Amino acid sequence: DSGVTQTPKHLITATGQRVTLRCSPRSGDLSVYWYQQSLDQGLQFLIQYYNGEERAKGNILERFSAQQFPDLHSELNLSSLELGDSALYFCASSAQGSPNYGYTFGSGTRLTVV
Amino acid sequence: SQQGEEDPQALSIQEGENATMNCSYKTSINNLQWYRQNSGRGLVHLILIRSNEREKHSGRLRVTLDTSKKSSSLLITASRAADTASYFCATDGIQGAQKLVFGQGTRLTINP
Repeated sequence: DSGVTQTPKHLITATGQRVTLRCSPRSGDLSVYWYQQSLDQGLQFLIQYYNGEERAKGNILERFSAQQFPDLHSELNLSSLELGDSALYFCASSAQGSPNYGYTFGSGTRLTVV
Repeated sequence: SQQGEEDPQALSIQEGENATMNCSYKTSINNLQWYRQNSGRGLVHLILIRSNEREKHSGRLRVTLDTSKKSSSLLITASRAADTASYFCATDGIQGAQKLVFGQGTRLTINP
């Protein structure tokens, strides 16, 4: 157990639907990062939050949004889902807001869009 | 485009042999990190080497960094079946950027 908790572990949904992925960071970590992993695109950075504020944005589609709550857990919302959104979605956390320290990854949410 | 590019994409060796994976990157970095991912699971942080360091060791792992060539290597000595996994290098990209950018990874298979 890495200390980063992601739910659900698996999600199967239809095209056009909306889903919410949840992440609880390791205790004491203020920063949360979301990554998408697919076979053809590899690990793509989506977005980072630090202590409730958006800190950095990557290749995140407009159909996707995220937030970090006062208790530091984060949610990634994916809407108008397409087949191509099928991927592993990882959350990672770190104590500081910079990449100068290692990240702790959760075990991921496997999203299948049918 | 990815900041880090691993080479080779796949590597298959016998148990007990050493495994070497390479990573090249494009821009200046503050640090370079290596992660391991077992099939379909989360990434595990292995080691971090800062831009002013040339070599770092952690157990059976040895990482080197050559900032003049913008490259790094990860050596796993005396490999074990449990080392079978994908290995990724990650860099912080442009200096001061707030995120890690991962390469495509090297798939390492240790044959018993």
